[in-house]
Amino acid sequence: QKEVEQNSGPLSVPEGAIASLNCTYSDRGSQSFFWYRQYSGKSPELIMSIYSNGDKEDGRFTAQLNKASQYVSLLIRDSQPSDSATYLCALRPNSNYQLIWGAGTKLIIKP
Amino acid sequence: EAGVAQSPRYKIIEKRQSVAFWCNPISGHATLYWYQQILGQGPKLLIQFQNNGVVDDSQLPKDRFSAERLKGVDSTLKIQPAKLEDSAVYLCASSLGVSGGTDTQYFGPGTRLTVL
Repeated sequence: QKEVEQNSGPLSVPEGAIASLNCTYSDRGSQSFFWYRQYSGKSPELIMSIYSNGDKEDGRFTAQLNKASQYVSLLIRDSQPSDSATYLCALRPNSNYQLIWGAGTKLIIKP
Repeated sequence: EAGVAQSPRYKIIEKRQSVAFWCNPISGHATLYWYQQILGQGPKLLIQFQNNGVVDDSQLPKDRFSAERLKGVDSTLKIQPAKLEDSAVYLCASSLGVSGGTDTQYFGPGTRLTVL
């Protein structure tokens, strides 16, 4: 059974702090990992993708992948109220497989 | 570059009625996906097309749902007859369809369906 687990939250973080979102998965052979942000009533939008172990930074966002421990994280530095949304983790177990989605973590940034 | 287009944005119908959704993917994207998203859950793949062929429809309730992508570009998803549990957001996404695991999906605005 291919599964993606996320804490549903809500995760409450003060403005300006670092928000840390975590995702664990069961398929050790998973290759590709994606973080999507979904505002209430809107569709998911891609924030970052990561394919190799280690960190990948893009502006205030850093994705961290640890395949040995089977987790992928998203760090948001200098959190802003506009970062308040649900963050969806998705992975592709192999190159030709569909995406497997987590249920998302609701993040609230408090001013 | 224009994004994924969907219509209608909202639809309210009574149970046992039929409804159809339309999607136009990003130009040049070979792969098109239809997802169902229920509040508080991640998207659930209903059907995946590669050009005009079906790649995966294992989670499509085929007794009531149908989808087509006749010319390999835009697509329609139909529900007939609708049930109360079909109330959800129906998302269309598209991707280039490249192999190797890096293929990235981009979503349209979605259609919020309410079945009364």
